[in-house]
Amino acid sequence: GNSVTQMEGPVTLSEEAFLTINCTYTATGYPSLFWYVQYPGEGLQLLLKATKADDKGSNKGFEATYRKETTSFHLEKGSVQVSDSAVYFCALLQTSYDKVIFGPGTSLSVIP
Amino acid sequence: EAGVAQSPRYKIIEKRQSVAFWCNPISGHATLYWYQQILGQGPKLLIQFQNNGVVDDSQLPKDRFSAERLKGVDSTLKIQPAKLEDSAVYLCASSRAGGYGYTFGSGTRLTVV
Repeated sequence: GNSVTQMEGPVTLSEEAFLTINCTYTATGYPSLFWYVQYPGEGLQLLLKATKADDKGSNKGFEATYRKETTSFHLEKGSVQVSDSAVYFCALLQTSYDKVIFGPGTSLSVIP
Repeated sequence: EAGVAQSPRYKIIEKRQSVAFWCNPISGHATLYWYQQILGQGPKLLIQFQNNGVVDDSQLPKDRFSAERLKGVDSTLKIQPAKLEDSAVYLCASSRAGGYGYTFGSGTRLTVV
């Protein structure tokens, strides 16, 4: 079945460090891919998305490129801030069934 | 447009009690979803409605969980009787056909003691 795998956390970085959170997926067809973010005590927020191969989603300095050949959608940011501390979820939309399924999440802590 | 509305925001109950959550989707969204997010895990889909019909309830523990979407708009999710392991955030989401406009509500945080 369709699934999403993420690198395990927690990830701890110093402010201004480079961030990569790996995400790979298994899916039939051509799913849309997403990164959601959940700040402490808050709800899920859509961070960025990509709907077809080679698309790059970007928002708030974060980027992710839909790589169909490697079935990956890694999240990157060039310089993280303390305010980026949150849990990040990679997800896919199963287009045949119109439902979003999530990876387990990766917790990020950025220290000054 | 208004977002997905959920209530209550928080709920604390004792085990073996019953509880109900309410969701009002975005106007015009035919598909409605209920997710369970246990602390430290990703959200897990419990049930998916298309209008007022169930599309997928394969992950719903039907011995204690039930959900309905009368008239294809609002939905309620009920747990009876609750167990300690049901402590989680229950998220409602809605979308248009094809998954477009997929939007989550703020969730209901349930604590079972």
